[in-house]
Amino acid sequence: DAEITQSPRHKITETGRQVTLACHQTWNHNNMFWYRQDLGHGLRLIHYSYGVQDTNKGEVSDGYSVSRSNTEDLPLTLESAASSQTSVYFCASSDSPVENEQYFGPGTRLTVT
Amino acid sequence: RKEVEQDPGPFNVPEGATVAFNCTYSNSASQSFFWYRQDCRKEPKLLMSVYSSGNEDGRFTAQLNRASQYISLLIRDSKLSDSATYLCVVNMGSGNTPLVFGKGTRLSVIA
Repeated sequence: DAEITQSPRHKITETGRQVTLACHQTWNHNNMFWYRQDLGHGLRLIHYSYGVQDTNKGEVSDGYSVSRSNTEDLPLTLESAASSQTSVYFCASSDSPVENEQYFGPGTRLTVT
Repeated sequence: RKEVEQDPGPFNVPEGATVAFNCTYSNSASQSFFWYRQDCRKEPKLLMSVYSSGNEDGRFTAQLNRASQYISLLIRDSKLSDSATYLCVVNMGSGNTPLVFGKGTRLSVIA
């Protein structure tokens, strides 16, 4: 069955370290998204991509980067982790058009100490 | 004005009750509307899309009011398993604009 996976599921890192969260989908969806979810803020869009080599900034992109070298993967990199980036991170994908239903991965719980 | 607004709740209702949530959105050009369900510590999952004519799926009914820019979700005969956070989701414009998620309304169904 097609699916969307995230790894690691849990991560503890130190301030200042570079961290990469993986997202992999097997639906062959063009659109992929990264969100963070914090109490009181709901889901906030970090970066998104509408296809290979396409990336766009979302609402809270500072300190994060993504690259899209193939259809299946959209890794999220925290260049220099900060305590404010402690959060639950969700990856999602959708088929075109962009306003279609999004399918979410199980999430990555990141703690920056 | 926030783009997608929901009452955070919690709504605490007894089993068998009917409960309704509303959600307002700011962009009158919005074209797509959804309700997602999110269980504690889990990923959001699509509950239902919301169409202009309204739609029903078992105990769940979704309505869209474009004139007042709100969507609603009605749950009849609430079950314990309906306890979750319900997210209102809107595509805020035309073309390639991502979906915008509300912060969610928490529902607790009590035995």
